[in-house]
Order: sequence, then structure tokens, then C-alpha cells
Amino acid sequence: DSGVTQTPKHLITATGQRVTLRCSPRSGDLSVYWYQQSLDQGLQFLIQYYNGEERAKGNILERFSAQQFPDLHSELNLSSLELGDSALYFCASSGRGSYNEQFFGPGTRLTVL
Amino acid sequence: AQSVTQLDSQVPVFEEAPVELRCNYSSSVSVYLFWYVQYPNQGLQLLLKYLSGSTLVKGINGFEAEFNKSQTSFHLRKPSVHISDTAEYFCAVSPIYNQGGKLIFGQGTELSVKP
Repeated sequence: DSGVTQTPKHLITATGQRVTLRCSPRSGDLSVYWYQQSLDQGLQFLIQYYNGEERAKGNILERFSAQQFPDLHSELNLSSLELGDSALYFCASSGRGSYNEQFFGPGTRLTVL
Repeated sequence: AQSVTQLDSQVPVFEEAPVELRCNYSSSVSVYLFWYVQYPNQGLQLLLKYLSGSTLVKGINGFEAEFNKSQTSFHLRKPSVHISDTAEYFCAVSPIYNQGGKLIFGQGTELSVKP
């Protein structure tokens, strides 16, 4: 158990819909990262937050957005869903001075029908 | 920009045999290097990391990796594998200048250990 929790574990929805994925980092970790894992794109970095502020952006679509709340949990919002958004979405967290060592949650499997 | 290439998508091996999973990277800046393992239906778990110092790093579950700067490689090895090592293995880099920054992953190597 990494200490990072993600909900829900599975999500099935239809095209055009909007979903929210939730992540709680390890106790004390200030950084939260979101990654997407799909068969064709592999594991791709989406976005990073540090103590409530956006720190880095990767290959995140404009239809996707994220935020980190004062209690440090984070939410990834995916809107106008397309079939190609079906993937495993991971959240990871790291602490200050952790030399980029990230601890991953179990993931949310999103299926868009 | 950084990129990671895992040279084998699948590696079948018999139990108790040695294994090497190959990883090459490209980067215009210095990077930290990592190997993660993903068991079926689970998240990623850190196996080992190279930050600086000795180029041979030891990780969990008997795995080790050697950093070769001239060849920009970071190959993962285990002298004797077990059935329980069956999983997907990911090599990753992260730019040093941006501590706490993103991980750039390779495409993964599926290790299949047969009895």
C-alpha cells in the first residue's frame, strides 16, 4: 500500500459526459501528479500540482482540468468524453526533497462507451 | 526534451534464470533514473532509483540496475527470477533541474516467468 488513494476504482460512462476522479496523497506530501495509461500512448504525464498551485503541465487535453485543494487532495475533471479517453488514470504524490520519488495510487479505470 | 526506449516489449524467461531488461534514454539535461514495476491490476511500485554516486544500484526484490552515462543506458537485472516477478516493468527519467517534476516513461517491458 503506497498510501495514495484514488476513487472511484472503476468508472463507466458515455461519450460527451463529464467525470471527476479524486486522489488523496500520502500524508505530508505536497505534490500530486496525474498520469494517463493507455494501450496506444503508454504512460503519459498529464499535470502536477504543488501545495495548491499548478507546477507543470504535460500532454493534457483542454477538455481536462485539475485542481488541488487546501487539504491537498486533488481532482481531475474530464469533460466531453470521447472513446479515446478510455484509460487507466493514476495519481502519484511526492514530498519535499524526495528527489522526484513518486508514490502511485491504484488508479481509476475509465471506460467511455 | 527527454525520451525513454525500452528495447524489449516482452521478455519470456524460465524460473530461476537470470534476466536483463534494457532501457536507453535521451536527454539534453541531467536526469534521475527509475525503474517501476506494475503487477496486474495494481499501481506502479518503485523498484530502484539512480540519483548520483555509484552506478550500480540495488533495489527491492533482488533487482539491480547499472547506470551507464556514455551509453545513456539503465538496464535492470536479476540473477534468478521467480514466478512472482511476472509483471510489467517501466523505466523512467526525470529532469534533475526540476526536482519533484514529471516522470517520462518508456513503453514498458512485460516480463513473463515460466515454471
